[in-house]
Amino acid sequence: QVQLQESGPGLVKPSDTLSLTCAVSGYSISSSNWWGWIRQPPGKGLEWIGYIYYSGSIYYNPSLKSRVTMSVDTSKNQFSLKLSSVTAVDTAVYYCARAYRSSWYFDYWGQGTLVTVSS
Amino acid sequence: EIVMTQSPATLSVSPGERATLSCRASQSVSSNLAWYQQKPGQAPRLLIYGASTRATGVPARFSGSGSGTEFTLTISSLQSEDFAVYYCQQYNNWPRTFGQGTTVEIK
Repeated sequence: QVQLQESGPGLVKPSDTLSLTCAVSGYSISSSNWWGWIRQPPGKGLEWIGYIYYSGSIYYNPSLKSRVTMSVDTSKNQFSLKLSSVTAVDTAVYYCARAYRSSWYFDYWGQGTLVTVSS
Repeated sequence: EIVMTQSPATLSVSPGERATLSCRASQSVSSNLAWYQQKPGQAPRLLIYGASTRATGVPARFSGSGSGTEFTLTISSLQSEDFAVYYCQQYNNWPRTFGQGTTVEIK
């Protein structure tokens, strides 16, 4: 059973860097899948942030590309997200998810973690 | 960027009735479209991929159709657990984009 679990600070100050980790269990992150981040501002819709492959290949949403860094740690079976220079508009529930093989849709999701940007 | 437009924003349906949700893409996405269901406080759940293939464990009352720019999610007979928000997502072009969602509520 594939399980994903996000972790990281729930409160980040404006202009700081948001850092989240997604721990994957029940499945090897080194298998032929892409791994992704998606966010959802409170009461709003979903926004794709990016995908990362275990080899380090990456696709970012151009709207966030200048501020986003994704990485993968195969030894810990986890991948990470960093979003720099955050403002209140970055307040959202952040989800990590698996995209099966090169299918690009998300078949397994983490429960999500709320990150609030506030001083 | 491909804009995904879902209609209606809210659909009021009685249990046992049929629900039809629409998703329109601003340009062709072929059949590279997925549907997700999201309940309050939960992560989205994959229902349909490839425009018409049900994901593992999804009941047969959920069906998807369409290609190109016009897509439909049909719930043949609404059950109490189906009242939720539904999102479409295209994965044909970069960046990947979602629709704004359709809320299916109890009439």
